[in-house]
Amino acid sequence: AQSVTQLGSHVSVSEGALVLLRCNYSSSVPPYLFWYVQYPNQGLQLLLKYTTGATLVKGINGFEAEFKKSETSFHLTKPSAHMSDAAEYFCAVDYGGSQGNLIFGKGTKLSVKP
Amino acid sequence: NAGVTQTPKFRILKIGQSMTLQCTQDMNHNYMYWYRQDPGMGLKLIYYSVGAGITDKGEVPNGYNVSRSTTEDFPLRLELAAPSQTSVYFCASTSLRLAGGYEQYFGPGTRLTVT
Repeated sequence: AQSVTQLGSHVSVSEGALVLLRCNYSSSVPPYLFWYVQYPNQGLQLLLKYTTGATLVKGINGFEAEFKKSETSFHLTKPSAHMSDAAEYFCAVDYGGSQGNLIFGKGTKLSVKP
Repeated sequence: NAGVTQTPKFRILKIGQSMTLQCTQDMNHNYMYWYRQDPGMGLKLIYYSVGAGITDKGEVPNGYNVSRSTTEDFPLRLELAAPSQTSVYFCASTSLRLAGGYEQYFGPGTRLTVT
């Protein structure tokens, strides 16, 4: 079965430090890739997505992600963490099936220390 | 433009009771989904619909039912609530699929507790 793996259920960084959240997917066929953010008691909001074209994708709030086919990865980064980045982040994959649903990773909770 | 709306926001049910979670979208999206979110488990697909009158099971459909009589509405029905259905439920929608890669838009969620 196709799957999405997010390494680290909880990541803690200091304010101003680099944020790196890891995501790997299981298919050899390049899927469509998404990062969503969930703030406490809210729904999911799209941060960025990769469909085709440039493998470095820029999103909202200074986040970006790079699609690496050879590593089947789509890691999320931000050069300098801000307190407001504290949230849960989900990597999701659309393998292009007829039902069109996303396969989600288990999520990574990001904490930002002052 | 409200996007995807869900009601209620919170609900406590007793074991064996039934309820309907409402979901409405105003973006004229063909595809709609119901997910449940459990701590540390990500989101799991319960049911989905590719258009009015067409629904199908997802990964975890047991204990739930859906209907899709209009493009806008996609209610989720719990017939005999069980403690295992304690979760946060999200409705989502996306536009017509010519290929993949379309963003899904999520509602704010319904937090359900079954005791």
